[in-house]
Amino acid sequence: AQSVTQPDIHITVSEGASLELRCNYSYGATPYLFWYVQSPGQGLQLLLKYFSGDTLVQGIKGFEAEFKRSQSSFNLRKPSVHWSDAAEYFCAVGSYNNNDMRFGAGTRLTVKP
Amino acid sequence: EAGVAQSPRYKIIEKRQSVAFWCNPISGHATLYWYQQILGQGPKLLIQFQNNGVVDDSQLPKDRFSAERLKGVDSTLKIQPAKLEDSAVYLCASSLDRDEQFFGPGTRLTVL
Repeated sequence: AQSVTQPDIHITVSEGASLELRCNYSYGATPYLFWYVQSPGQGLQLLLKYFSGDTLVQGIKGFEAEFKRSQSSFNLRKPSVHWSDAAEYFCAVGSYNNNDMRFGAGTRLTVKP
Repeated sequence: EAGVAQSPRYKIIEKRQSVAFWCNPISGHATLYWYQQILGQGPKLLIQFQNNGVVDDSQLPKDRFSAERLKGVDSTLKIQPAKLEDSAVYLCASSLDRDEQFFGPGTRLTVL
């Protein structure tokens, strides 16, 4: 079965600094990969997804992620963080056959002024 | 378009009581999911419906949890009897196809 590891439980960055959130997955076939963001008391919102093709994926709110099959990674990046980016970020892996998604434990992002 | 609706938003019950959550997916979305998100963890899939049929309920504790999706639209998730460890946020999501899942705001359950 697929699984996701997000090694960083909590990350703090200064506003305007760059950001990278790590995600490692385990899946036997071609993975479908997702990054979701969850603000307090809110549901999850999709930032970006990777199914196939270009391994550098652009998403909403200025986020991007790069799929590296050799490293089983799908790290999320943003060149300049805004205070409104403070939230919980979840990486997820799914399969085409049943769309069964497995989420990582999440990384909480704090943005310092 | 309207998003995924869930109710209630909050529920507090005593252990051994029963509780039910309701979800109304985005119109036209055939696939509906229920997730359990325990504090500090990522969402865990409990059950997945395709129209009104169950696709995957392998992680649903069937001795106490049940779910149905009548007429392939709305869905209810029930817990009976509740345990302390059921305290969590229960998220409903829907998708049009094997693509993006759209999540509702969730129901926060506290079991005392």
